[in-house]
Amino acid sequence: EVQLEQSGAEVKKPGESLKISCKGSGYTFTNYWIGWVRQMPGKGLEWMGIIYPGDFDTRYSPSFQGQVTISADKSITTAYLQWSSLKASDTAMYYCARHPSGTWSYFDYWGQGTLVTVSS
Amino acid sequence: QSALTQPASVSGSPGQSITISCTGTSSDVGNYNLVSWYQQHPGKAPKLMLYEVTKRPSGVSNRFSGSKSGNTASLTISGLQAEDEADYYCCSYAGRSPNWVFGGGTKLTVL
Repeated sequence: EVQLEQSGAEVKKPGESLKISCKGSGYTFTNYWIGWVRQMPGKGLEWMGIIYPGDFDTRYSPSFQGQVTISADKSITTAYLQWSSLKASDTAMYYCARHPSGTWSYFDYWGQGTLVTVSS
Repeated sequence: QSALTQPASVSGSPGQSITISCTGTSSDVGNYNLVSWYQQHPGKAPKLMLYEVTKRPSGVSNRFSGSKSGNTASLTISGLQAEDEADYYCCSYAGRSPNWVFGGGTKLTVL
């Protein structure tokens, strides 16, 4: 069974750094692109970027380029989303989601989400 | 890249059919048959309902169907059921590096 298990909720202060995770299981982790999607409180979904764990090829949405870093550790089948200096506006739910093999056309499996709260 | 345009809300009675539209541009919806739809219940992760405009993943009811004309895609739910009440988001591939754009979401209320 394919599963994407995300790390738990985080409460941080502005200016702090953060790295959240998404562990894939039930499939060959290195063969599928994984993306990150933001959902701000009461708002819609926004695509942030994707990574191919097989060769670490990473692509970012222009809206998020330079704001976050996406990485992966294939030895532990885990993808990451990190911030070096959080802002209050980073408060949101963050989902990881997988693209099916051989296509970018949709996201077939989603993690349960990680709630990030940034407040002084 | 602007979000795709969806109605904020739609409603229908059990057994009825409803349609949710998703309007983009010639750079996304109009240029690719790569529109997908996601259902999101409160506090839950999105769930794939349709992909590549009309295709249903295994396990999704055939009450859900999709179509596209020009820059507008549509999701139709027939035989509405109480459990269909949720938020629905469309998503289109938008080419470039790559890029995906989502709709703003539509809240479906089953009366």
